Amino acid sequence: EIVLTQSPGTLSLSPGERATLSCRASQSVSSNYLAWYQQKPGQAPRLLIYGASSRATGIPDRFSGSGSGTDFTLTISRLEPEDFAVYYCQQYGSSPTFGPGTKVDIK
Amino acid sequence: QVQLVQSGAEVKKPGASVKVSCKASGFTFSSYYMHWVRQAPGQGLEWMGIINPSYGSTTYAQKLQGRVTMTRDTSTSTLYMELRSLRSDDTAVYYCTRQTVSGAAFDIWGQGTMVTVSS
Repeated sequence: EIVLTQSPGTLSLSPGERATLSCRASQSVSSNYLAWYQQKPGQAPRLLIYGASSRATGIPDRFSGSGSGTDFTLTISRLEPEDFAVYYCQQYGSSPTFGPGTKVDIK
Repeated sequence: QVQLVQSGAEVKKPGASVKVSCKASGFTFSSYYMHWVRQAPGQGLEWMGIINPSYGSTTYAQKLQGRVTMTRDTSTSTLYMELRSLRSDDTAVYYCTRQTVSGAAFDIWGQGTMVTVSS
């Protein structure tokens, strides 16, 4: 099973700042099979990025994904108030696994 | 519109079983692999298994093997997830979710069903 590690655990930033979230895999992940989700309290996760760098339908272009192999990054170029949430990475190798999440909260 | 609507919250005693439903609409049910994912209170997301709605074939997470069964009713575009021999650590929100056409992400999610296991 591929284990995903996310850092930092919590990121405290102000609206308008840039957020950089990291996801590291225990073994190489095909770029096609790395996704990012946003989850707000009491809501289901929402798909942001698939294939490591492709934005899902309706996702603003301030969200971008990059990386390959074992190191992937989600960048939010300028934080909007609605972006404060928990973010999960996910891989789909032999079976899907999720990272433990990064909480982005207001500084 | 494309959506997944799940059944309501459940409270069960340890050792009991629970069956959660997930009704799909707005898309061709048999054309997408479907998954179940759960989330314990304050915790992360845990994949439970996958079902191919066309054939009913399934693959389950190893830790749940023997306790979980995923089925579907193609006539009503509804998925079911049954979990048996419930324990307190099965307390979680259970989600059904649709796998993307590209095959590597989950693009549509149900609203979640809270299952509480308590004596």
